[in-house]
Amino acid sequence: EDQVTQSPEALRLQEGESSSLNCSYTVSGLRGLFWYRQDPGKGPEFLFTLYSAGEEKEKERLKATLTKKESFLHITAPKPEDSATYLCAVQAQGGSEKLVFGKGTKLTVNP
Amino acid sequence: KAGVTQTPRYLIKTRGQQVTLSCSPISGHRSVSWYQQTPGQGLQFLFEYFSETQRNKGNFPGRFSGRQFSNSRSEMNVSTLELGDSALYLCASSLAGGRAGNTQYFGPGTRLTVL
Repeated sequence: EDQVTQSPEALRLQEGESSSLNCSYTVSGLRGLFWYRQDPGKGPEFLFTLYSAGEEKEKERLKATLTKKESFLHITAPKPEDSATYLCAVQAQGGSEKLVFGKGTKLTVNP
Repeated sequence: KAGVTQTPRYLIKTRGQQVTLSCSPISGHRSVSWYQQTPGQGLQFLFEYFSETQRNKGNFPGRFSGRQFSNSRSEMNVSTLELGDSALYLCASSLAGGRAGNTQYFGPGTRLTVL
């Protein structure tokens, strides 16, 4: 069974204090690993797709990396507006678009 | 390009009633997936529709059903509502097809409260 585990569950940072979120996964053939950001009461907002080990993608203060067993979301010099829940999901080989999600990391950035 | 839209945004129902939620995907997207999000279980896959056919189904009881129309719009129905069905129901659409993973774009969700 495909599984995704995210850690930590919650993270508090001071503005400017860089850190990383972890996403460990087991999947029967990876088609893609996805990172989303979700604000309270809203739908997840797409951030990155990673397809193979060694791949990296960046967007503003965020950088996502992928190995064969885990992915990291690095946040450099975060700002209060980066506060949100960050979700990791995997899509397995096969004909379906089904995503298996982790429980998320709730990030709070204090000014 | 317009994003995924879901209606209604909020619903309050009582136990035993049934409810229908609607989702309009991004133009050109042929796959629509539904997810249930609760504080305890997180985001869980309900089902996926592609070209009006259910392609995959999650581990939910038969009270949860859905369908997709020829214009790719989708509806999901929950019959005989239970208190535990209170959740945020999210719809996501994607282009589908191809070997590489397809990005799913989510709508704002429908917040269902069962009293």
